[in-house]
Amino acid sequence: AQSVTQLDSHVSVSEGTPVLLRCNYSSSYSPSLFWYVQHPNKGLQLLLKYTSAATLVKGINGFEAEFKKSETSFHLTKPSAHMSDAAEYFCVVSLLYSSASKIIFGSGTRLSIRP
Amino acid sequence: NAGVTQTPKFQVLKTGQSMTLQCAQDMNHEYMSWYRQDPGMGLRLIHYSVGAGITDQGEVPNGYNVSRSTTEDFPLRLLSAAPSQTSVYFCASSSLAGTNTGELFFGEGSRLTVL
Repeated sequence: AQSVTQLDSHVSVSEGTPVLLRCNYSSSYSPSLFWYVQHPNKGLQLLLKYTSAATLVKGINGFEAEFKKSETSFHLTKPSAHMSDAAEYFCVVSLLYSSASKIIFGSGTRLSIRP
Repeated sequence: NAGVTQTPKFQVLKTGQSMTLQCAQDMNHEYMSWYRQDPGMGLRLIHYSVGAGITDQGEVPNGYNVSRSTTEDFPLRLLSAAPSQTSVYFCASSSLAGTNTGELFFGEGSRLTVL
């Protein structure tokens, strides 16, 4: 099965410390990978995307992710957490079947920020 | 700019009742999809469509029907509601190129409770 796995359901860090949210994927095809963020009671927002160009991808709000094919990983990082980063984060894979794509979400990681 | 419009925002049903969640987009997007979001399970793909007259099953299609008679509309039908279908439902759309770049546009969600 082709899917995406988020390894942590909940991550808690102190404000000002680094953030690491882990994501592994499985795909027979060259995947397109993304991170989405959902703040409480809000909709979903695209944070960043990997589409086979540069393996290190920069997104909004200081987040970045690195595509590692050998490890089938696409972990999300941020050097210094801010209170406003508290949200649910979803790793997403787009699976290309001929001209159609399915977009599959991971189970999500809730990020909490301690003052 | 309307984007993706979902109705209703809230609905309470009794077991066995039927209903339709409406989704409309005004961006001429070929790709439309329905997800359900449950705590700890992320967003799971129910059905999707890559154009008028074309629909396909996602990860959790049982108990749901869809049709795509126009580019703009993609209704989701619950034929006989069950408590297990209590969830928040999101409609999302994209251009076909956008499905490879993760640029999904989401509706605000519909919270469904089945008693």
